[in-house]
Amino acid sequence: EVQLVESGGGLVQPGGSLRLSCAASGFRFSSFEMNWVRQAPGKGLEWISYISLSSSTIWYADSVKGRFTISRDNAKNSLYLQMNSLRVADTSLYYCARGWTVAAIDSWGQGTLVTVSS
Amino acid sequence: QSALTQPASVSGSPGQSITISCTGTSSDVGAYDYVSWYQQHPGKAPKLMIYDVSNRPSGVSNRFSGSKSGNTASLTISGLQAEDEADFYCSSFTTRSTLVFGGGTRLTVL
Repeated sequence: EVQLVESGGGLVQPGGSLRLSCAASGFRFSSFEMNWVRQAPGKGLEWISYISLSSSTIWYADSVKGRFTISRDNAKNSLYLQMNSLRVADTSLYYCARGWTVAAIDSWGQGTLVTVSS
Repeated sequence: QSALTQPASVSGSPGQSITISCTGTSSDVGAYDYVSWYQQHPGKAPKLMIYDVSNRPSGVSNRFSGSKSGNTASLTISGLQAEDEADFYCSSFTTRSTLVFGGGTRLTVL
């Protein structure tokens, strides 16, 4: 069974940093592209970043470019999101998500909540 | 990038068919056959229902179907059932190598 378990969320002040982690199991992690998607409370889904199998290709949404960094460690079956210069608008549930095709996501974690507030 | 445009809500009675539209531009929906649809029940993670415009993942009911014409994609649900009630989101790959989601549609089964 595919499992994606996010961790690292919490309360942080504006301008602060957090590092999210996603532990993958139940599938060959190194064979799948990965994404981070977020959802603000009561709002819709927002894609924020993609990473290819070997980390050679990385994409970001404009809303996080220059502030967030996606990375992966295939040896540890783990995906990461380093978030710097956090803003109140970054408050969301952050999902770790497995890519199915170039633009489809077939598996999602349960999410980790990031709250940016003073 | 702007979100794709979906109706805020649609409704239908059990057994009926409904269609949810997803309108983008020539830079996203109209550019590639890379449109996906997701179902999200309250408090749950999204579930992939359709990928690459019209393909169903294994295990998804054939009551769900997808199509695209120009810059608009559509999700049709036939034989509506009570358990179909949920939020639905479309997404598309874009010419800027990003993914963009629609604003979401709340489906109510009357």
